[in-house]
Amino acid sequence: AQSVTQLDSHVSVSEGTPVLLRCNYSSSYSPSLFWYVQHPNKGLQLLLKYTSAATLVKGINGFEAEFKKSETSFHLTKPSAHMSDAAEYFCVVSLTGANNLFFGTGTRLTVIP
Amino acid sequence: DADVTQTPRNRITKTGKRIMLECSQTKGHDRMYWYRQDPGLGLRLIYYSFDVKDINKGEISDGYSVSRQAQAKFSLSLESAIPNQTALYFCATSDLDRATYTDTQYFGPGTRLTVL
Repeated sequence: AQSVTQLDSHVSVSEGTPVLLRCNYSSSYSPSLFWYVQHPNKGLQLLLKYTSAATLVKGINGFEAEFKKSETSFHLTKPSAHMSDAAEYFCVVSLTGANNLFFGTGTRLTVIP
Repeated sequence: DADVTQTPRNRITKTGKRIMLECSQTKGHDRMYWYRQDPGLGLRLIYYSFDVKDINKGEISDGYSVSRQAQAKFSLSLESAIPNQTALYFCATSDLDRATYTDTQYFGPGTRLTVL
C-alpha cells in the first residue's frame, strides 16, 4: 500500500531564508514521487518528480528534492524563499507505471517579508 | 495548466439538484481523472478513465457518475447533490512516459462547488 505523510501542516519562513518541507512516504514497491504546488484559487502545478533516476531532483522556481530510500523521505527544499513561494505544497506518491496518486494532506508555506 | 480547462469555475446549487462539471484538455492525453479536495484531506480520486471506453471508480465514487464523451472531454455528474459534496473539484490528465514508466498528472484550475 502507498501513503504519504507531510510532517508539517504549516511552515513559516522569512524571505531570503531556506525552505524545508518534509515528506515521508510508504510504498511496497518502487515509487514515483512528486511535489505539486497550489497557489490560492489556482490549480495544482507540478514542481518536480522522482522516477528512479537521479536521487536529487531539480524542479521549477529553484526547488529541489532528494529521494532517500533508507529514510523513506522526499523532502522539498529551496535555498532562499521568495514571497511568491507562499502557497500550499503537496507531496504525492504512486507506484511507478501506475495511475493512482496518493496525496499528502498538504503543507502551507507562509513567507514573511 | 491552460491545457486543461474546467467549467464552471464556481457553482452554487441546492440539495437534490443535478449538477454536471465539465473538463476539456488539449494535451492529447488518453488518461483523465476527477478528484475532490477538502480542507485538511488533500485530494481524493473520484473516477478515472484510461480511454473513451474505459471508466473506473476511484476511492470515493459514491454519489457521482462520469461520462467520457471523447478523448478530450470528461464530465463529472452529481445526480442529486448533497451538502457534503461541497468541495473543490479538480480534473487531471496524464499520459504514460514509457521512457521512465511514469504517469505524470496535469491538473485543471478547479471548480468550487457549494451545495446548500
